[in-house]
Amino acid sequence: GENVEQHPSTLSVQEGDSAVIKCTYSDSASNYFPWYKQELGKRPQLIIDIRSNVGEKKDQRIAVTLNKTAKHFSLHITETQPEDSAVYFCAATSYNAGNMLTFGGGTRLMVKP
Amino acid sequence: GAGVSQSPRYKVAKRGQDVALRCDPISGHVSLFWYQQALGQGPEFLTYFQNEAQLDKSGLPSDRFFAERPEGSVSTLKIQRTQQEDSAVYLCASSLVGLAGYTGELFFGEGSRLTVL
Repeated sequence: GENVEQHPSTLSVQEGDSAVIKCTYSDSASNYFPWYKQELGKRPQLIIDIRSNVGEKKDQRIAVTLNKTAKHFSLHITETQPEDSAVYFCAATSYNAGNMLTFGGGTRLMVKP
Repeated sequence: GAGVSQSPRYKVAKRGQDVALRCDPISGHVSLFWYQQALGQGPEFLTYFQNEAQLDKSGLPSDRFFAERPEGSVSTLKIQRTQQEDSAVYLCASSLVGLAGYTGELFFGEGSRLTVL
């Protein structure tokens, strides 16, 4: 089955700086890679996703890049704000997995004002 | 309702008790998933339904865990003879699409936090 590793587990940045979170996956058949943001005690919410037919996707201050050859994908947040502080999870799935997401272990992002 | 609804939000059980956790998915969503999230960890897959059919239950940790979705809408996750290691947040998620080679957004509920004493 799929295995997703996520790094770093914690990340502290100054407000306005950029943050990068990296994930690797093991199943070459994986073709969908979402990122979820989870605030304390809240539900995970999708913030951006990428499919295997593109290498990069951007939405305002957040972007995701995908390297299928190396089987890794990354989340980039620019101009970080205190409200970006949360736990971020990457995930992967494929048609063969029937939409079942395999999640990484999470990254706790702290943005210091 | 507009989103996935789960109840109860918090449940404290004594070791050995049975518990039942309910999930109301978004109306019309075909797929329904249960995940277990331990403190400080990512969600771990438990089981998956497409309509009323349970297509994958490979993530259920033991035969004490049972899930059903009899009418293809509301789902219940039941844990029998609870143990301390069952303490976790149980997340339900639904998706509009089913097994069709297309992956769609998963919408999560707020979760049910189970504490077993």
